[in-house]
Amino acid sequence: SQKIEQNSEALNIQEGKTATLTCNYTNYSPAYLQWYRQDPGRGPVFLLLIRENEKEKRKERLKVTFDTTLKQSLFHITASQPADSATYLCALEWGFTSGTYKYIFGTGTRLKVLA
Amino acid sequence: DGGITQSPKYLFRKEGQNVTLSCEQNLNHDAMYWYRQDPGQGLRLIYYSQIVNDFQKGDIAEGYSVSREKKESFPLTVTSAQKNPTAFYLCATEGYTGELFFGEGSRLTVL
Repeated sequence: SQKIEQNSEALNIQEGKTATLTCNYTNYSPAYLQWYRQDPGRGPVFLLLIRENEKEKRKERLKVTFDTTLKQSLFHITASQPADSATYLCALEWGFTSGTYKYIFGTGTRLKVLA
Repeated sequence: DGGITQSPKYLFRKEGQNVTLSCEQNLNHDAMYWYRQDPGQGLRLIYYSQIVNDFQKGDIAEGYSVSREKKESFPLTVTSAQKNPTAFYLCATEGYTGELFFGEGSRLTVL
């Protein structure tokens, strides 16, 4: 079965630096992979989606890469700010049943940006 | 406002009781999902639905039931058969390009 691995340890970085989070998966490459932000006690919020034929996707200070050879996605936040502190979840589509995709989520990496 | 509304935000249940979590959306999305989130674990899929009157079991459906009588609504019932129901429950819809839109969640605690 498909598995996702995210670094379960919290990542602390200094304000202004680039944060890099890793998402590894074990089996077949999904058609696309997504990143979400989750604040404590809140629902996840969609950030970026990258397709298997895309190497890189950008949105403002966010950048996602997708390496199907390494079975890995990297999520970067440049010029990080304390407001970026949150848990970031990686998700990939896993199977298409009855006209609907199923998604599998990683456990998330907690990022803390220090002022 | 467009979005997904989950209620109640907090819910307490006594052992042996069934409880129902509400999920309503006005995004006009077809697919809806229920996930459970526990500390240190990823979101786990309970049930999902593509269209009205149709739904499929996810990875951890035992002890849960759902209905999809209207496109806008996808309530989840946590039955007494669910042995460890204390968790954070999240409802989501799927957008037109594959992204998921989540509600604010319902936290269920068994007393």
